[in-house]
Amino acid sequence: GAGVSQSPSNKVTEKGKDVELRCDPISGHTALYWYRQSLGQGLEFLIYFQGNSAPDKSGLPSDRFSAERTGGSVSTLTIQRTQQEDSAVYLCASSTTGGDYGYTFGSGTRLTVV
Amino acid sequence: DQQVKQNSPSLSVQEGRISILNCDYTNSMFDYFLWYKKYPAEGPTFLISISSIKDKNEDGRFTVFLNKSAKHLSLHIVPSQPGDSAVYFCAASALSNNNDMRFGAGTRLTVKP
Repeated sequence: GAGVSQSPSNKVTEKGKDVELRCDPISGHTALYWYRQSLGQGLEFLIYFQGNSAPDKSGLPSDRFSAERTGGSVSTLTIQRTQQEDSAVYLCASSTTGGDYGYTFGSGTRLTVV
Repeated sequence: DQQVKQNSPSLSVQEGRISILNCDYTNSMFDYFLWYKKYPAEGPTFLISISSIKDKNEDGRFTVFLNKSAKHLSLHIVPSQPGDSAVYFCAASALSNNNDMRFGAGTRLTVKP
């Protein structure tokens, strides 16, 4: 597609349930990032995929968070046993490599844990 | 730790005037800086960038200034237009580790007609 696509756009879940957030990056972009933005906070780095390399998971806040990227394209961010503090907008971005730092972001998934 | 800080959560200016958005950073390893613009219900879009070898980068109505000694950068928009109303995020990274890009909390700019 023309841009980074994320689904769902909104998700309300009960505390303790698992959720999956999906990101479809721009075709040909080898780098894929997940960020989240909590209310009043900046964008917080979560995880970075680059080609076939092992992902950089250094930003994942706990072991309840995991992400995978299948076939170098679509990525899924999974949050297990959701907590209220997980409520945030989760943004996916993709980019080319080689010095292009203009990430293209998706519209985000607004997650609300009740 | 907030390595990139935007201390003004909001800014309101009159159409045609200059908008100045400020950003401070603490990590001296940062050498690449970007501004992103975000409209409601959309993801941030890249606006303009500057590397540490420069102190100014201009693109149309948008100019970014970098003061390395003060660890401060600013985005100037002149003349401001109502369509510029959005949240502006400052971001910084070290070129040696560009996947670790740190963002500020954002400044909501409102340009009044």
